[in-house]
Amino acid sequence: AQTVTQSQPEMSVQEAETVTLSCTYDTSESNYYLFWYKQPPSRQMILVIRQEAYKQQNATENRFSVNFQKAAKSFSLKISDSQLGDTAMYFCAFLITGNQFYFGTGTSLTVIP
Amino acid sequence: DAGVIQSPRHEVTEMGQEVTLRCKPISGHNSLFWYRQTMMRGLELLIYFNNNVPIDDSGMPEDRFSAKMPNASFSTLKIQPSEPRDSAVYFCASSFALGAGNTEAFFGQGTRLTVV
Repeated sequence: AQTVTQSQPEMSVQEAETVTLSCTYDTSESNYYLFWYKQPPSRQMILVIRQEAYKQQNATENRFSVNFQKAAKSFSLKISDSQLGDTAMYFCAFLITGNQFYFGTGTSLTVIP
Repeated sequence: DAGVIQSPRHEVTEMGQEVTLRCKPISGHNSLFWYRQTMMRGLELLIYFNNNVPIDDSGMPEDRFSAKMPNASFSTLKIQPSEPRDSAVYFCASSFALGAGNTEAFFGQGTRLTVV
């Protein structure tokens, strides 16, 4: 079975600080993509960052970076210099062959001024 | 491209009525997903299509739910009869196939369904 686990339902961080959201997954597939999506109060789902499983180098997008540990099946998201606009629900997800997307239950992040 | 387009944005209906949610995926995408989001259960995959063919509908909660994709540019999710516990935000998403470069799921704005 394919599963995605986000063990932190809620987190908070002071503005300008760094926060890390955790995600673990389980799959027997060898070829897959990993994603972090952000859902602000507007409820629009926005892609934050993407990682191909065959790439060892961790993906980065400006203030967002991941720590991808393939053997441990771990895919955490680090947000540096947190901003008020980062307040949102964050979903970890992965895509396997057959085009099936699996999502975690989400982590609600609040950035405190 | 305008992105994934869902209609309506909001729907309020009475229990027992039929509800139809609509989705237009991004042109060229060959995968389409329907998700339901609630506070209790988070984001649940209901069904997904590849090349207009339903691949996995194991997430469809009951026979009251049905989904169709008559062509590559249109899909519907129907609930008949609707019940108050169906109240949720329903998302449609589309994507290219795995391995086709910049694969990601593009989401529509969602339909907020309220059944009273």
